[in-house]
Amino acid sequence: DVKVTQSSRYLVKRTGEKVFLECVQDMDHENMFWYRQDPGLGLRLIYFSYDVKMKEKGDIPEGYSVSREKKERFSLILESASTNQTSMYLCASTTGSSYNSPLHFGNGTRLTVT
Amino acid sequence: SQKIEQNSEALNIQEGKTATLTCNYTNYSPAYLQWYRQDPGRGPVFLLLIRENEKEKRKERLKVTFDTTLKQSLFHITASQPADSATYLCAEGGNKLTFGTGTQLKVEL
Repeated sequence: DVKVTQSSRYLVKRTGEKVFLECVQDMDHENMFWYRQDPGLGLRLIYFSYDVKMKEKGDIPEGYSVSREKKERFSLILESASTNQTSMYLCASTTGSSYNSPLHFGNGTRLTVT
Repeated sequence: SQKIEQNSEALNIQEGKTATLTCNYTNYSPAYLQWYRQDPGRGPVFLLLIRENEKEKRKERLKVTFDTTLKQSLFHITASQPADSATYLCAEGGNKLTFGTGTQLKVEL
C-alpha cells in the first residue's frame, strides 16, 4: 500500500515564525500536493509538484512556498506564520494524472499559530 | 470556475438502511468524479471513481451514479453499518482536484 507520511500530527507555532511541514511518500509517485482543510471550506489546494524541482501554484498559494529536492519528499513552508494559517494541512501523492490514479493522502498536520 | 456542492447537513440513518449522498457540480460536465471517505483526524481515503460515460459504478456495498443532465452524482451505501459513519467527499478535476466540503454520515444502531 502507498504510504504518505507527514512528519508531525500537531504543531503549535508563534506568529512570525518560519514553519516547515514535511511530507514523504514511498511509492515513487511523480505528483505531490499540499492542501489545507478548514470547516465549511473543504480542501483547498495550496501548491503541487509534477516532478523534482517543479512546482505549480494552486488556488491559495499566498503566504506559502514549497520545496521538492527529492522525488519522495515535498515540503510546505510558511515564511512568516500568521493566525489565519491555523488549519489542518494534508499532503497527497499520485502517479500520472488523477484521471486514472486517485490521490493518496497522509493523515494531516494540525497547525495552530498563536 | 467549477464548484462542487455537497449537503453540509449531516445525514443520520438507521443501520441496515441505504444511505444516499449527493454531489452537484455547477459548471462544465467533469470527465469523471471521485469519492473519498474521511474519518476524524485522518486524511481522505479514495473509494470510487466514475467517468462521464459511465452511468453507474459499484464496489461491494457502494454504488455511484453520474447524471450529466442533472449535473449530479449520487453515492449510495447499502446495508449501512455504524462503521460507515464518516465524512464523504466528492471531487473532480485533472491534476488539480476540486473537492466539495463533504457530507457527514452517521449510522445509528
